[in-house]
Amino acid sequence: DVKVTQSSRYLVKRTGEKVFLECVQDMDHENMFWYRQDPGLGLRLIYFSYDVKMKEKGDIPEGYSVSREKKERFSLILESASTNQTSMYLCASSPRPVNEQFFGPGTRLTVL
Amino acid sequence: AQTVTQSQPEMSVQEAETVTLSCTYDTSENNYYLFWYKQPPSRQMILVIRQEAYKQQNATENRFSVNFQKAAKSFSLKISDSQLGDTAMYFCAFMAPLNTGNQFYFGTGTSLTVIP
Repeated sequence: DVKVTQSSRYLVKRTGEKVFLECVQDMDHENMFWYRQDPGLGLRLIYFSYDVKMKEKGDIPEGYSVSREKKERFSLILESASTNQTSMYLCASSPRPVNEQFFGPGTRLTVL
Repeated sequence: AQTVTQSQPEMSVQEAETVTLSCTYDTSENNYYLFWYKQPPSRQMILVIRQEAYKQQNATENRFSVNFQKAAKSFSLKISDSQLGDTAMYFCAFMAPLNTGNQFYFGTGTSLTVIP
């Protein structure tokens, strides 16, 4: 079974802190994605990566950055957390050619 | 640009009944894939069903089936014999293999409650 894991299920941070969200997949997938999920807005793509050290902006990249140093790991970084970044963050991966995306369990981040 | 619209934020159905969730999309692409994902409360998002646009036959997976109308750009999900475990958020998604990233586009979701 494909497994996508995220470093934390719940996280509470303070405004201005630097936040790291880690995602690891074990199926040698080329593509990895970070989404945020908010009620009524669905899933919005923050960043994605189609190869090691490659990254592409999604629909809402402002306030976020990413890192992909190894194929299995894709990190989302909030350089200076703000309250409007309180959300559920979902990581996903997919093989190439794509047949589906496989999701992690999500990290619910609260910024106080 | 690709867009996916789910016009039913919330739905409910009696256990053992049938329910249909609606999804429309907009694209100029001819080669693409459509998906329905399920997100149970506090649990991981999983794939329910997938449809390739070039296939005319509607996809089915046990109690789940789709009605794919390519010309109308409609992709509805039918759940037959609804069970309590079907209670979840359901997301419709679109993907066109346009680039190496293979970006997915998701709708805003439909929250389905199965009533005992």
